[in-house]
Amino acid sequence: ETGVTQSPTHLIKTRGQQVTLRCSSQSGHNTVSWYQQALGQGPQFIFQYYREEENGRGNFPPRFSGLQFPNYSSELNVNALELDDSALYLCASSGTSGVNTGELFFGEGSRLTVL
Amino acid sequence: GESVGLHLPTLSVQEGDNSIINCAYSNSASDYFIWYKQESGKGPQFIIDIRSNMDKRQGQRVTVLLNKTVKHLSLQIAATQPGDSAVYFCAENIGGGSYIPTFGRGTSLIVHP
Repeated sequence: ETGVTQSPTHLIKTRGQQVTLRCSSQSGHNTVSWYQQALGQGPQFIFQYYREEENGRGNFPPRFSGLQFPNYSSELNVNALELDDSALYLCASSGTSGVNTGELFFGEGSRLTVL
Repeated sequence: GESVGLHLPTLSVQEGDNSIINCAYSNSASDYFIWYKQESGKGPQFIIDIRSNMDKRQGQRVTVLLNKTVKHLSLQIAATQPGDSAVYFCAENIGGGSYIPTFGRGTSLIVHP
């Protein structure tokens, strides 16, 4: 069974640029959630996708957007990067067909640094 | 707004001792609570969960206690080992069908050999 994988693991961008982060969900999972984790803080919910539809959104501006594909993998896009966007971006998958236990399976994250 | 919080940011214990990590929540609509462990350089890992219709749940070396009267959650780790050193987060989920847990800030557990 393949776990949640994220890419890239590390990246550096400059202010104003755009970034795309990718996530492959765990086999059999149909729900993907994205979290932002600043240094020394807990993960903050960005949004969740269930079967290719947005299923909930946290308090993040519209320049944070996402997609979920038919194979349930997902992308997080951030436009017009700001210094405060520097963080660890975590993807988590959950749910199996017809059952959502609530347990999130996290990837190891993508560390974004904005200069 | 309502949030999940932790009383102690850092907890240091000796190997073999029992550890207790506390968490306060304020959202009375929360009906599901989860503890996660995050080791350095890794994503959070599920430890144990509890639903609001329970007040205690046990796993392997871990016990979660829920006190709805005072909106308090705790994680007890028995016979703490150096491998237990990590940041521990409690998370709450508001009922309604979607599982979108809200995480607290976390407690760093340091286990001394």
